[in-house]
Amino acid sequence: DTEVTQTPKHLVMGMTNKKSLKCEQHMGHRAMYWYKQKAKKPPELMFVYSYEKLSINESVPSRFSPECPNSSLLNLHLHALQPEDSALYLCASSQDLSAGIGNTIYFGEGSWLTVV
Amino acid sequence: GQNIDQPTEMTATEGAIVQINCTYQTSGFNGLFWYQQHAGEAPTFLSYNVLDGLEEKGRFSSFLSRSKGYSYLLLKELQMKDSASYLCAVREQRRPKLIFGTGTRLQVFP
Repeated sequence: DTEVTQTPKHLVMGMTNKKSLKCEQHMGHRAMYWYKQKAKKPPELMFVYSYEKLSINESVPSRFSPECPNSSLLNLHLHALQPEDSALYLCASSQDLSAGIGNTIYFGEGSWLTVV
Repeated sequence: GQNIDQPTEMTATEGAIVQINCTYQTSGFNGLFWYQQHAGEAPTFLSYNVLDGLEEKGRFSSFLSRSKGYSYLLLKELQMKDSASYLCAVREQRRPKLIFGTGTRLQVFP
């Protein structure tokens, strides 16, 4: 089972709302990622968690707040977003942060976010 | 600097073979991934190369030459459902980060 599950699939929120995106994996992976993808552009890394600790923050604005409650779950809390934040938000996971054959990064189906 | 280049678009005929090239210049190298992404969907893992040579997986094969900073994805016996974007991504050596190319949009015609 190589599945990363994201909810919700679609989210529309106002600029004053607070919402959260959720991601879950049951592959025993200890590294989890948030990526942002705009239309016709490649995914861009936002955050990396390793063993439930934040490892990388790619200078993401504070209106995006990640949280890793346990090794299977990764949340992205959203507050005071702007219309330009509308995008596909992808969660991914891998065995850990080491390189090597077999340490593949798997993506979830994504959450489409529209900020109005 | 970091740079990953792929052709923007390619077209091919059903049943044919197509090769999608990827060249990269990154600060360190720790593996190269190929993903398929259909419009409106998430990237799906296709292949991973960390050593030089060819990796074959069914209709798809991927090749890597680290000395040349070059990889290609070979798709055989093309099917209509292979119409998608194909993303080349390099994992950095010092940081657990995937750097994606802009992707190659492949259209397969009957």
